Amino acid sequence: DTEVTQTPKHLVMGMTNKKSLKCEQHMGHRAMYWYKQKAKKPPELMFVYSYEKLSINESVPSRFSPECPNSSLLNLHLHALQPEDSALYLCASSPGPLKNTEAFFGQGTRLTVV
Amino acid sequence: AQTVTQSQPEMSVQEAETVTLSCTYDTSESDYYLFWYKQPPSRQMILVIRQEAYKQQNATENRFSVNFQKAAKSFSLKISDSQLGDAAMYFCAYRSSGSNYKLTFGKGTLLTVNP
Repeated sequence: DTEVTQTPKHLVMGMTNKKSLKCEQHMGHRAMYWYKQKAKKPPELMFVYSYEKLSINESVPSRFSPECPNSSLLNLHLHALQPEDSALYLCASSPGPLKNTEAFFGQGTRLTVV
Repeated sequence: AQTVTQSQPEMSVQEAETVTLSCTYDTSESDYYLFWYKQPPSRQMILVIRQEAYKQQNATENRFSVNFQKAAKSFSLKISDSQLGDAAMYFCAYRSSGSNYKLTFGKGTLLTVNP
């Protein structure tokens, strides 16, 4: 299994809603990532988890709250988002620190904030 | 900080022809990794090819090959025998060899393949 699975594929939410994005991998990877990608732009790193601990937060607003319940699962909790937060949210995983291989990406969640 | 530059926002190629996508980067590190990712309309970022900076030999994956010039900090991607399925956004990316997980992406090149 070489897949990173993200759900849902599409999400529309109001600015007062609370929703969560889910990411799952069963490759035994110990590093997991959230990226945000605007149209026709490269992905921007948001968070990195290493061995289920948050290791990088790229100064992301607190309305985005990541969670790593176990080594296979990564969530992104959303609350009080703004329309400018509408984007493609990509999850990725890689074997872990000092394991010099590429990151595997999921298909993303297309988020629209109305 | 590392930077990655893709100077071609868009490229087009005829089916079965060869195209080269450019990428340059700036770093003070001696050991690092370079990647080309492809993002088709399906949105998933797919690894095309990777290159370790300590390897002099250029990486090759089937119809995809790179021209890695470490001194010039250049990492171009050549696609041979282009196919319609190669149409996508291509991102060049840099990663340090240490425990830093960050992938630094270029702005991307949109490749169109004409039948």
